[in-house]
Amino acid sequence: KQEVTQIPAALSVPEGENLVLNCSFTDSAIYNLQWFRQDPGKGLTSLLLIQSSQREQTSGRLNASLDKSSGRSTLYIAASQPGDSATYLCAVGGYSTLTFGKGTMLLVSP
Amino acid sequence: GAVVSQHPSWVICKSGTSVKIECRSLDFQATTMFWYRQFPKQSLMLMATSNEGSKATYEQGVEKDKFLINHASLTLSTLTVTSAHPEDSSFYICSARPTSGGVRGLETQYFGPGTRLLVL
Repeated sequence: KQEVTQIPAALSVPEGENLVLNCSFTDSAIYNLQWFRQDPGKGLTSLLLIQSSQREQTSGRLNASLDKSSGRSTLYIAASQPGDSATYLCAVGGYSTLTFGKGTMLLVSP
Repeated sequence: GAVVSQHPSWVICKSGTSVKIECRSLDFQATTMFWYRQFPKQSLMLMATSNEGSKATYEQGVEKDKFLINHASLTLSTLTVTSAHPEDSSFYICSARPTSGGVRGLETQYFGPGTRLLVL
């Protein structure tokens, strides 16, 4: 059974810092990996999707990498802003399901 | 873009009553929809996969008689929590996979805004 772990569980940084969120998974037989953002009491916003054959994806200040063989992914956020404050969820895609981690709660202070 | 709505966004009910939550894909057709449950500070847990015109597939440990799923059309799936109890209080999120999406894994899946259920 796939298990997804995210570290750290919470992170507080001052505005402008670059930061890295980590995601690890136990079964490397995946189809893709996605990073989502969840604001308090809200649904999910997809940030980046990396196919199993890809190494990384970039969108604006966000860069996600995937090392399938070691079961790891990182989400890099450059020049963080207070508006980036949210919970970031990593989800590993199997053939027909998504397995989510518990998320990293990010707080960016002005 | 693809939008998924959920109704209601908030519901408070008494223990023992039934609650229905709707999940709609507004601008695309979805043969498959998924229902997740999220407890505070926990990850989303898949409850069931809803397929249009057929029975839902439930994950292990999810009571199919308690969580009734109906996917009557290509744009609507409903989750009914029957005889709700306080332990059913949670955040329920649905997602929809476009019928025309890729078949190799969940390449495209759009999430609703969630429904918060509080059972007193």
